[in-house]
Amino acid sequence: AQKVTQAQTEISVVEKEDVTLDCVYETRDTTYYLFWYKQPPSGELVFLIRRISFDEQNEISGRYSWNFQKSTSSFNFTITASQVVDSAVYFCALSSNSGYALNFGKGTSLLVTP
Amino acid sequence: GAGVSQSPSNKVTEKGKDVELRCDPISGHTALYWYRQRLGQGLEFLIYFQGNSAPDKSGLPSDRFSAERTGESVSTLTIQRTQQEDSAVYLCASSLAATFHGYTFGSGTRLTVV
Repeated sequence: AQKVTQAQTEISVVEKEDVTLDCVYETRDTTYYLFWYKQPPSGELVFLIRRISFDEQNEISGRYSWNFQKSTSSFNFTITASQVVDSAVYFCALSSNSGYALNFGKGTSLLVTP
Repeated sequence: GAGVSQSPSNKVTEKGKDVELRCDPISGHTALYWYRQRLGQGLEFLIYFQGNSAPDKSGLPSDRFSAERTGESVSTLTIQRTQQEDSAVYLCASSLAATFHGYTFGSGTRLTVV
């Protein structure tokens, strides 16, 4: 069975602080995909990143970076110099190579205050 | 269309009534997915369409739930004899194929059963 755990339910930071959102996953598949999605107050989920299991390179996109560590089954997401517009619920998700359904974590609600 | 369109955006219905939720995917996207998001929860997979066939209906919570898709276009999720526990946001997503490029989600239909 697949499972995604986002242990942080809510995080509150002050603008310009760095913040890391944790994601730990469980799967028996050798090939799988990991995702992060952002859900702003408007409700629409926005795709941020997809990572396939055999690609352990970390990725940076502007203020966003992702740290994938297979040894600890973690796929953490860091926002550098956070901004108020980063306030949203962030979901980590997992899918097997042969599947299509995404298994989502329960999400981390991030509040960035001025 | 440019994005995934869902209607209605909000629906309030009385317990026991039937409801239909509509999803219009991105043109050319052969795969379509329905998810349910209960308040404060992650997303639960409901059903997946490849073209107009549904290889996996395993996520449908009960026989009161059904879905269909016309060609590679519009999909309708029907909930019969609604119950209060059906209250949730129902999200539709589409993608180019069953293999992963990342879904594009619609804004969802917020269903409230009173």
